[in-house]
Amino acid sequence: SQQGEEDPQALSIQEGENATMNCSYKTSINNLQWYRQNSGRGLVHLILIRSNEREKHSGRLRVTLDTSKKSSSLLITASRAADTASYFCATSQAGTALIFGKGTTLSVSS
Amino acid sequence: GAVVSQHPSWVICKSGTSVKIECRSLDFQATTMFWYRQFPKQSLMLMATSNEGSKATYEQGVEKDKFLINHASLTLSTLTVTSAHPEDSSFYICSARNWNTDTQYFGPGTRLTVL
Repeated sequence: SQQGEEDPQALSIQEGENATMNCSYKTSINNLQWYRQNSGRGLVHLILIRSNEREKHSGRLRVTLDTSKKSSSLLITASRAADTASYFCATSQAGTALIFGKGTTLSVSS
Repeated sequence: GAVVSQHPSWVICKSGTSVKIECRSLDFQATTMFWYRQFPKQSLMLMATSNEGSKATYEQGVEKDKFLINHASLTLSTLTVTSAHPEDSSFYICSARNWNTDTQYFGPGTRLTVL
């Protein structure tokens, strides 16, 4: 089963620009997490935001969460070619498995 | 952070054979592990929840007789793809939950190719 959608499905930008990806989900959640996946590789955990938090920062990453709209956004500032990857949001309720969104494929060209 | 390993990292097999994939939590005990499947250019789909010492819980549409899951110890869960067919070719990823932190840690994945 999948929880929701990310948009856009694909995003192409130039190095130095900011990239914004959005994630919507359907049910109540305990927390929401963002992961990165390079082509053919495993997942890299980026950031976790709890349901009682509205915004969180980690380096060049900024995540927001709006539980009333059941949506989250991931902003990557000053993007680099190395940020090229697929990005997934994943949600869970307490004690349950993470359910992943469909993902956004980000391409950063130099 | 916690480490979860998978073995093998890739496997190629003939149609009709069975393949076993191991998932180990290396530095914590995991009473619950999860198995996901990812087809090319798609997201991760939860296949089943594996609980130590009890039967796995399968998601709708996942055949339990085809994807056998065994979680015999607190650090090891195995997924056996029985009578594999080319349509079973996929990237299989496990994760283990650390109950103390309620955090899931993912393995690096196993790429299965069925010829």
